[in-house]
Amino acid sequence: NAGVMQNPRHLVRRRGQEARLRCSPMKGHSHVYWYRQLPEEGLKFMVYLQKENIIDESGMPKERFSAEFPKEGPSILRIQQVVRGDSAAYFCASSPERKRGDEQFFGPGTRLTVL
Amino acid sequence: AQSVTQLDSQVPVFEEAPVELRCNYSSSVSVYLFWYVQYPNQGLQLLLKYLSGSTLVESINGFEAEFNKSQTSFHLRKPSVHISDTAEYFCAVKGDSSYKLIFGSGTRLLVRP
Repeated sequence: NAGVMQNPRHLVRRRGQEARLRCSPMKGHSHVYWYRQLPEEGLKFMVYLQKENIIDESGMPKERFSAEFPKEGPSILRIQQVVRGDSAAYFCASSPERKRGDEQFFGPGTRLTVL
Repeated sequence: AQSVTQLDSQVPVFEEAPVELRCNYSSSVSVYLFWYVQYPNQGLQLLLKYLSGSTLVESINGFEAEFNKSQTSFHLRKPSVHISDTAEYFCAVKGDSSYKLIFGSGTRLLVRP
């Protein structure tokens, strides 16, 4: 059973470009979470999605960031007009359902560098 | 709301020595507690978790953690570390009706020969 997959693993963008990060959850998992890890910090929750629905995006910056989890295909985290402060590791996690104490399984992350 | 404090940003230790990585949390509701390990340039792997029952939980590679409700702590311990334990360790908490993991800032365990 393949784990959570993220691509690309490394992404370099120039200021003003767009970044698209992809996440394929584990088989059978319908809940996806995105976290951001800034240098020397812990992970911070960004957004929680189920298929075709955004459940909670309280951790997402109000501008330039968006996320989706379509009926078919991976979840996408999109950052428009990137700035240097967006440089971070972005981790996706998935869980089978929203049960108490459910473990979230993490992907290897996408490390975004903005030049 | 919950918060997690990992006071030690880095813990250097010699191989085969014991180690304790400290984690304290605050919450107004019941919580679930987790320790994740992150090896260089990799994602997070669950090390162990406390949901309910016995306050002492163990992992398959010799780590253990004890949930102490009165002290709001969930410290991670290992009686004898290996070089391969060198990694970043994150303590995390989740409210019993929440889905968000709240992470501490991490502790870098550096095991020296």
